[in-house]
Amino acid sequence: EVQLVESGGGLVQPGGSLRLSCAASGFIFSGYWMSWVRQAPGKGLEWVANIKQDGGEKYYVGSVKGRFTISGDNAKNSLYLQMESLRAEDTAVYYCAKSQVGATNYFDYWGQGTLVTVSS
Amino acid sequence: EIVMTQSPATLSVSPGERATLSCRASQSVSSSLVWYQQKPGQAPRLLIYGASTRATGIPARFSGSGSGTEFTLTISSLQSEDLAVYYCQQYNIWPRTFGQGTKVEIK
Repeated sequence: EVQLVESGGGLVQPGGSLRLSCAASGFIFSGYWMSWVRQAPGKGLEWVANIKQDGGEKYYVGSVKGRFTISGDNAKNSLYLQMESLRAEDTAVYYCAKSQVGATNYFDYWGQGTLVTVSS
Repeated sequence: EIVMTQSPATLSVSPGERATLSCRASQSVSSSLVWYQQKPGQAPRLLIYGASTRATGIPARFSGSGSGTEFTLTISSLQSEDLAVYYCQQYNIWPRTFGQGTKVEIK
């Protein structure tokens, strides 16, 4: 059974940093592109970043470029999102999501999400 | 960036009736479109990919159609457990973008 379990969310002040983690199991982690997708309270979904299996390609939505860094550790079956210079508009539930096929970047499995709140 | 527009924002349907949800892309995405279902308090679930192929385990009452810029998700006979927000997403052009969602209510 595929499982994605996020952790690391919490309350952080504007300008602060946070590192999210996603522990994956039930599939060959090194065989799939992985993404972070976020959802602001009461709002829709927004793709944030993704990473190729070997880490050789990474892409970000414009609003987080230069502030967020996605990474993965195939030995630990884990995905990460390092978030710097956080803003109030980054407040959201952050989901870890697995691409179904290659770089298509639609998602057949999602984690339960971890809430990030940016507030003073 | 491709803008995905869903309509209506809210759809109220009686159990057993048909629900028709629309998704429009600001430019052609070919058949590179998926639909997700998000129930309250849950993560999204993949329903349809390639505009019309049901994902594993998805009931046959869910069907997708369309190509280019116009897409439709149809729930042929609405069940109470279909109460959810439904999102479309294109995966033809970077960045991948989602529609704003259609909330399906049970009348």
